[in-house]
Amino acid sequence: GPKVLQIPSHQIIDMGQMVTLNCDPVSNHLYFYWYKQILGQQMEFLVNFYNGKVMEKSKLFKDQFSVERPDGSYFTLKIQPTALEDSAVYFCASSLLQDTQYFGPGTRLLVL
Amino acid sequence: GDSVTQTEGQVTVSESKSLIINCTYSATSIGYPNLFWYVRYPGEGLQLLLKVITAGQKGSSRGFEATYNKEATSFHLQKASVQESDSAVYYCALSYNQGKLIFGQGTKLSIKP
Repeated sequence: GPKVLQIPSHQIIDMGQMVTLNCDPVSNHLYFYWYKQILGQQMEFLVNFYNGKVMEKSKLFKDQFSVERPDGSYFTLKIQPTALEDSAVYFCASSLLQDTQYFGPGTRLLVL
Repeated sequence: GDSVTQTEGQVTVSESKSLIINCTYSATSIGYPNLFWYVRYPGEGLQLLLKVITAGQKGSSRGFEATYNKEATSFHLQKASVQESDSAVYYCALSYNQGKLIFGQGTKLSIKP
């Protein structure tokens, strides 16, 4: 089936630094999503993005978070500055319309 | 707000036996949500197993099935005879208008040979 890629698979970073998580969505998809899963907890919606704009964001999407997809390349999640509670696995997803979402394998972020 | 509950964090079933993974939901938004089961096989990304968007309907895929029960607000996943290849983590989820997904906690299925 369609594949969503995420780069890197793992990232270790010091608290206060900036991190950018990259997502390579399915090529013709139009809607993009980020989800966060803290170890032992359920996966939670962060934000979705369409036509260059954030459509909806959750309360987990703090001011330190931002998303963009410049020129149809990677869909990125940037955290600046990072905090200890940002340690989690971040999953990207994409969909053609607002239908079936295809997920990437996740980026495991550890903030020290 | 809306939520999904999977009561079992881990389930172990003997090969060729039947399986049921429980899922209930609480939907406070207007209208009926769409319901999904996603699966994550070891080393792979999350993938859609089945979805049902109409209350009362049943979805099926790869021998699994789930019925959208709006009276009981349940969407239990069942399979008549499990195989070792079914070992995975299963997530129940809901969405409105196919937008953001709200997930349950996940149930890890282990198969005993």
